[in-house]
Amino acid sequence: DTEVTQTPKHLVMGMTNKKSLKCEQHMGHRAMYWYKQKAKKPPELMFVYSYEKLSINESVPSRFSPECPNSSLLNLHLHALQPEDSALYLCASSQENTPGYEQYFGPGTRLTVT
Amino acid sequence: QKEVEQDPGPLSVPEGAIVSLNCTYSNSAFQYFMWYRQYSRKGPELLMYTYSSGNKEDGRFTAQVDKSSKYISLFIRDSQPSDSATYLCAMNTDKLIFGTGTRLQVFP
Repeated sequence: DTEVTQTPKHLVMGMTNKKSLKCEQHMGHRAMYWYKQKAKKPPELMFVYSYEKLSINESVPSRFSPECPNSSLLNLHLHALQPEDSALYLCASSQENTPGYEQYFGPGTRLTVT
Repeated sequence: QKEVEQDPGPLSVPEGAIVSLNCTYSNSAFQYFMWYRQYSRKGPELLMYTYSSGNKEDGRFTAQVDKSSKYISLFIRDSQPSDSATYLCAMNTDKLIFGTGTRLQVFP
């Protein structure tokens, strides 16, 4: 089973709202990732968690706040977003955050900021 | 120069055709190569994963890596309308580097 689940599937939020995206995997993977994907573009890495610790932040604005409560769960807290933050937000996981391990993606959360 | 170059397409072929999708890269340190398939408004699905040079076959799909030319390919035999999707190549160092994706349309 190589399933990564994400909730919600769709989210519409205003610029003053606070919301959270959730990601879960039960493959025993120790690395989890958040990506942002705009239309007709490849995914762009935002954050990497390795063994529940933040290991990479790709200079993401502070209105995006990741959290890894345990090895199976990854959250992305959203606050005071801008319309240009509207995108598909993808979660991925891999056995380790080292080259040689495949990353498996979830179905994504389609976010619209109004 | 981008680290990974991929023809964006779109590529339109009839059902049953052999499809060739390609990427070139500039970083000789890349050793792990992946192909993802992404249907519209869905997450990328890992199709093929190869290490270093050579071929790997899985059903109708064959991945080929030529490290000397810094060139990777994905061949799809007997293409089906259900293969219509965007195909992303990806390479791994400390993070996954994606190509821009090629849109493929297979028409009946």
